[in-house]
Amino acid sequence: KQEVTQIPAALSVPEGENLVLNCSFTDSAIYNLQWFRQDPGKGLTSLLLIQSSQREQTSGRLNASLDKSSGRSTLYIAASQPGDSATYLCAVDNYGQNFVFGPGTRLSVLP
Amino acid sequence: GAGVSQSPRYKVAKRGQDVALRCDPISGHVSLFWYQQALGQGPEFLTYFQNEAQLDKSGLPSDRFFAERPEGSVSTLKIQRTQQEDSAVYLCASSSRTGTGTEAFFGQGTRLTVV
Repeated sequence: KQEVTQIPAALSVPEGENLVLNCSFTDSAIYNLQWFRQDPGKGLTSLLLIQSSQREQTSGRLNASLDKSSGRSTLYIAASQPGDSATYLCAVDNYGQNFVFGPGTRLSVLP
Repeated sequence: GAGVSQSPRYKVAKRGQDVALRCDPISGHVSLFWYQQALGQGPEFLTYFQNEAQLDKSGLPSDRFFAERPEGSVSTLKIQRTQQEDSAVYLCASSSRTGTGTEAFFGQGTRLTVV
């Protein structure tokens, strides 16, 4: 059974710092991996989708990498801003018919 | 529509009451997923539809939970005889292809509180 973990569970940084969020999964036979952002009381906003054949994807200040063989993905946020404060979730497409989510990393960027 | 729409946004139910949660996926999206998210946790898979066919319902926690998508567009998640442990946010997602493998888009969720 696929299991997804995220480290750290929570992170607090001053504005302007670069930071890395980590996601690990136990079964490397994945189709793709998707990073989401969730604001309090809101749904999920898709940030980046990495296909299993890709190594990384970039969107603005966000860069996500994927190392399928080692079961790891990282989300890099450059020059963090207070508006980046949210919970970040990674989800693995398990070659099945559903996504398996990690528990999330709660990020606070302090002004 | 422009995005996945869920209604109601909030629902308070008395224990034992039946509830129905609605999801309007993005127009033309073949795949539709329901997830349950407890406070402080990641979403947990409930069920998956490909058009009107329910291909996976392995995540439904009990036979009190029932989902349908009769015409392959709008879906309804029904919970019978609600219990306090059913309190959670229920998220719906859709994607353009069969199964997964493409980007999934989520709605705002329905927050269910059972009192």
